[in-house]
Amino acid sequence: AQTVTQSQPEMSVQEAETVTLSCTYDTSENNYYLFWYKQPPSRQMILVIRQEAYKQQNATENRFSVNFQKAAKSFSLKISDSQLGDTAMYFCAFMNTNAGKSTFGDGTTLTVKP
Amino acid sequence: EADIYQTPRYLVIGTGKKITLECSQTMGHDKMYWYQQDPGMELHLIHYSYGVNSTEKGDLSSESTVSRIRTEHFPLTLESARPSHTSQYLCASISRDGLYEQYFGPGTRLTVT
Repeated sequence: AQTVTQSQPEMSVQEAETVTLSCTYDTSENNYYLFWYKQPPSRQMILVIRQEAYKQQNATENRFSVNFQKAAKSFSLKISDSQLGDTAMYFCAFMNTNAGKSTFGDGTTLTVKP
Repeated sequence: EADIYQTPRYLVIGTGKKITLECSQTMGHDKMYWYQQDPGMELHLIHYSYGVNSTEKGDLSSESTVSRIRTEHFPLTLESARPSHTSQYLCASISRDGLYEQYFGPGTRLTVT
């Protein structure tokens, strides 16, 4: 079984600054994907960024990037130039591609302050 | 936004009633999922389906049942609602492109009184 741990229940950042959200996971699988999803208040959950476990290069998507440390089973999300619209709950998720099921972390509530 | 829909968005119902939460997607995705999420909390997988006539129970035990008669439709039913079923229910699907991104519906917020 997989576990996903987000150790920061709440975080805040000033607009335009950089913030890093932490995520660690535990698995014995070799084939998997890791994701960060964003759930804004009262809105749909959407994908922020995806990382394939077999790729060593860290994924980037505009202001969002990850630091994927496979040996340490760590997958942190860095948000640069934070914007008010980044205020949301962020979930780290592990996808077991063999089983086709995801395990989610507890979430981190991020508040971007003006 | 993704083409995945859930109805109703909000439901307040009395104990003992039978309810069905609807989920539909127009993307032709085979894999579909139901999650239960208490406010501000993690998601728990309660049911999933790999295609028509395929349904499996998830990691969190649930008294609900699901069916998958058509690819685009994955309803969840509670035969007898109880206050402990009060929660948000999220439906999701995965594309066939092998990238495993989950597309989520807007959710149904259920309150059982």
